[in-house]
Amino acid sequence: DAGVTQSPTHLIKTRGQQVTLRCSPISGHKSVSWYQQVLGQGPQFIFQYYEKEERGRGNFPDRFSARQFPNYSSELNVNALLLGDSALYLCASSLGWTGLHYEQYFGPGTRLTVT
Amino acid sequence: AQTVTQSQPEMSVQEAETVTLSCTYDTSESDYYLFWYKQPPSRQMILVIRQEAYKQQNATENRFSVNFQKAAKSFSLKISDSQLGDAAMYFCAHDMRFGAGTRLTVKP
Repeated sequence: DAGVTQSPTHLIKTRGQQVTLRCSPISGHKSVSWYQQVLGQGPQFIFQYYEKEERGRGNFPDRFSARQFPNYSSELNVNALLLGDSALYLCASSLGWTGLHYEQYFGPGTRLTVT
Repeated sequence: AQTVTQSQPEMSVQEAETVTLSCTYDTSESDYYLFWYKQPPSRQMILVIRQEAYKQQNATENRFSVNFQKAAKSFSLKISDSQLGDAAMYFCAHDMRFGAGTRLTVKP
C-alpha cells in the first residue's frame, strides 16, 4: 500500500507570494495533519482535519489555511509568504481524529524556501 | 498548554551498546498514548514505538523499549544493541505536540 504522499518535493517562492502544498493520506485514513519543521527543531502543529472538518489548529497566523477534500486528500495554503516560512512542511495521516490515541504516518515533506 | 520536553539535544553511543533518550511531558488528560518517532537524514519521520498510558507494562519493540513513569510524566526510550542505522533525530510526541528532538550518533 502507498504511504502518505506530498507534492511538490521542493519549492522556491518569493516573499509576498502564495503557495499551495498537497497531501494524499494512506488509504482508509480519514485524518490529515500539517506540521511545520524548521531546521534543527521539532515539528510544530499547524492544522488537523478529520472527515473534512477542522479539528485542531496550532498557533499560526491566519495566513495559513487548509482544507480537506471528499477523498480525504488535503491542501495547505500559505499567503503573503515571509522569509520565516522557510521550512519543511510535513503532512501526516491517521485513522482517527485525536492525536491522543492514534499514531501518525508521515509523508516525506515539502521543502519550502522563501527568498 | 500541553508541552513535550527533550532535554538532550545530542547523544552518542558506541555500536552494540545501549543508550537512553529522555522525554518529559505535561498533560491534563488521563487516557492517552505517547510516541517516539525517528527521523533519519532522509527526513522521513517513522514511528518507533508507542505507549498506552493506561497500561502499566512498558512497551517493547525489538531493540527498542520505553520506561514510562506516568506519575512523573516521564517517557524515556532505550535502544539496545545500537546499530549504525539507528543514527537519526528522535522525537517524543504527545497528542499533536513534539519535543525539540535528540540527535543520536552511533560510533562504529
